[in-house]
Amino acid sequence: DTGVSQDPRHKITKRGQNVTFRCDPISEHNRLYWYRQTLGQGPEFLTYFQNEAQLEKSRLLSDRFSAERPKGSFSTLEIQRTEQGDSAMYLCASSLGLAGARGEQYFGPGTRLTVT
Amino acid sequence: AQTVTQSQPEMSVQEAETVTLSCTYDTSESDYYLFWYKQPPSRQMILVIRQEAYKQQNATENRFSVNFQKAAKSFSLKISDSQLGDAAMYFCAYRSDMEYGNKLVFGAGTILRVKS
Repeated sequence: DTGVSQDPRHKITKRGQNVTFRCDPISEHNRLYWYRQTLGQGPEFLTYFQNEAQLEKSRLLSDRFSAERPKGSFSTLEIQRTEQGDSAMYLCASSLGLAGARGEQYFGPGTRLTVT
Repeated sequence: AQTVTQSQPEMSVQEAETVTLSCTYDTSESDYYLFWYKQPPSRQMILVIRQEAYKQQNATENRFSVNFQKAAKSFSLKISDSQLGDAAMYFCAYRSDMEYGNKLVFGAGTILRVKS
């Protein structure tokens, strides 16, 4: 398996535009997580899915953000009407849906969003 | 809510020497996991070492070891025989042992510089 992949790796957009990012998890992983990382900070949790169900959303996930995982495989994160404050690295991670040590999360390379 | 604090924004170490990165956390839970992740410049995050809170023995992985003090809520990372490839941002992270909601809570990170 090639690990978690994300597309695109970089995105530059103008304020007010919509953007969509894609994450492909490790194939046998049924949990998928989205995090946001701003420059010089640690990642912050946004949301996570178990299979196709979105089970938890952070307060950071405003109404302009929506995430889907339609068939329990890949996931998309859409940001509508982007703002300069949305500029960040968006990280995706996946794990097996097991409690305990087996729930280790594997991270993708991230999508760096710049809003001008 | 759980919080993770890394009080050292930046550390330097001479090649082949030993360095210790500090981390404290706050939680009311008794069962949880602690992690150290490494994020090299422009590269994806990888897991360095993991500690289960119910284990008294400190985890070790080759040159990496932790000092886990549960009562003090302290979780430091020791890197022995530092190598140039160890230069990266290091994040301490907390994860609940609950079946649901096992998102990672990260600290702000410590930049480690390795001098040759």
